[in-house]
Amino acid sequence: QSVLTQPPSVSAAPGQKVTISCSGSSSNIGNDFVSWYQQLPGTAPKLLIYDNDQRPSGIPDRFSGSKSGTSATLGITGLQTGDEATYYCATWDSTIDSGLWVFGGGTKLTVL
Amino acid sequence: QVHLQESGPGLVRPSETLSLTCSVSGGSLRTGSFYWTWVRQAPGKAPEWIGYTYYGGSTHNNPFLKNRLTISVDMSKNEFYLRLSPVTAADTAVYYCARGVEPAKLTAAHWGQGTLVTVSS
Repeated sequence: QSVLTQPPSVSAAPGQKVTISCSGSSSNIGNDFVSWYQQLPGTAPKLLIYDNDQRPSGIPDRFSGSKSGTSATLGITGLQTGDEATYYCATWDSTIDSGLWVFGGGTKLTVL
Repeated sequence: QVHLQESGPGLVRPSETLSLTCSVSGGSLRTGSFYWTWVRQAPGKAPEWIGYTYYGGSTHNNPFLKNRLTISVDMSKNEFYLRLSPVTAADTAVYYCARGVEPAKLTAAHWGQGTLVTVSS
């Protein structure tokens, strides 16, 4: 059970927009940057967004990130079948001991 | 472009020691304040952060693994290591090493391909 809560699944049609939420607390999202990862089956996760809203080089601007308070959101516009994957948020959590980096439980995106 | 490659045994007996190596090319562990991280992912589960080594060889481990985990680095070989002992079936996972996107950013932008470790007798 992760301290970061994501919906288990979302779906949308090709060309549409989808948002994926990541809900936390003042001990994690409310106090640090959020990053987002895309994982295709059988492959390593891929960094899509870091520092809440920054895209690494090579990530198209169809992907966007935002944060407000203790929640973060990943947005994907112009959905493509290749976007079908599981998406994870991550941030630092300072609830226990010296802290740890935590991932959300993941959201499986289906492009109908 | 930095490249990371994990290596180690695919099968470890319960109560024994898991040792993995992450070999880095195209970038140096000596330069920049990058986070060099270990992450694992059990089948069908979300990724789990194991720990990282940071500039100068300092490390920070997941508190839930702290008593069993050692992360170390050999800058002369451009490698960093994970040692987990003793292991149980719950440690069965794909183990990844990764590097941050920018200096001083705890992210995982460059990943190894991952290595599956099964804990079983």
